[in-house]
Amino acid sequence: AQSVTQLGSHVSVSEGALVLLRCNYSSSVPPYLFWYVQYPNQGLQLLLKYTTGATLVKGINGFEAEFKKSETSFHLTKPSAHMSDAAEYFCAVSSGGGADGLTFGKGTHLIIQP
Amino acid sequence: NAGVTQTPKFQVLKTGQSMTLQCAQDMNHEYMSWYRQDPGMGLRLIHYSVGAGITDQGEVPNGYNVSRSTTEDFPLRLLSAAPSQTSVYFCASRGNYGYTFGSGTRLTVV
Repeated sequence: AQSVTQLGSHVSVSEGALVLLRCNYSSSVPPYLFWYVQYPNQGLQLLLKYTTGATLVKGINGFEAEFKKSETSFHLTKPSAHMSDAAEYFCAVSSGGGADGLTFGKGTHLIIQP
Repeated sequence: NAGVTQTPKFQVLKTGQSMTLQCAQDMNHEYMSWYRQDPGMGLRLIHYSVGAGITDQGEVPNGYNVSRSTTEDFPLRLLSAAPSQTSVYFCASRGNYGYTFGSGTRLTVV
């Protein structure tokens, strides 16, 4: 069984400030980890993913995440927030092969203050 | 490429009615899955398939059926709609770079 916990259902940052969205997971097998973004009334867009190899993963729109096995974490960061980053962000985990679908966290709504 | 196509985009059903949500992908992906999204709950896995003729249940399968007769199509059937099935439904297929999601079907059961 696997699960994902996203700390903070809402996160508010000022434009230009660091964005940090927290994700912790549990998995009985080596996980594949994902971050998705969802803009209002739209589908999900993949930001980045970790499967194997380098633990620091760079994604689109300036986001990156670091896989820390010892902390079972996969936090998402961006050095400088932009107004266009306001959206819902989901962390997800799958088993190594990924054939059994994704388990999602409940999401974090990112608010950007001008 | 169209990616993952879901139809319809919106649907209103009466309690007890049945319907099929369509999902098609043109990427020749073996793995496909259905999710429902509810406020504050994230996305939850309903059913998934690892190839034509092979399906399995996810976290919230009750009230839903699936079949996979071809690689391209993975329809989701609601046998007798209930208000608790009011949700946004997403279909996804998995390739080498991860999961590609459709644009969703917003279903309201009254």
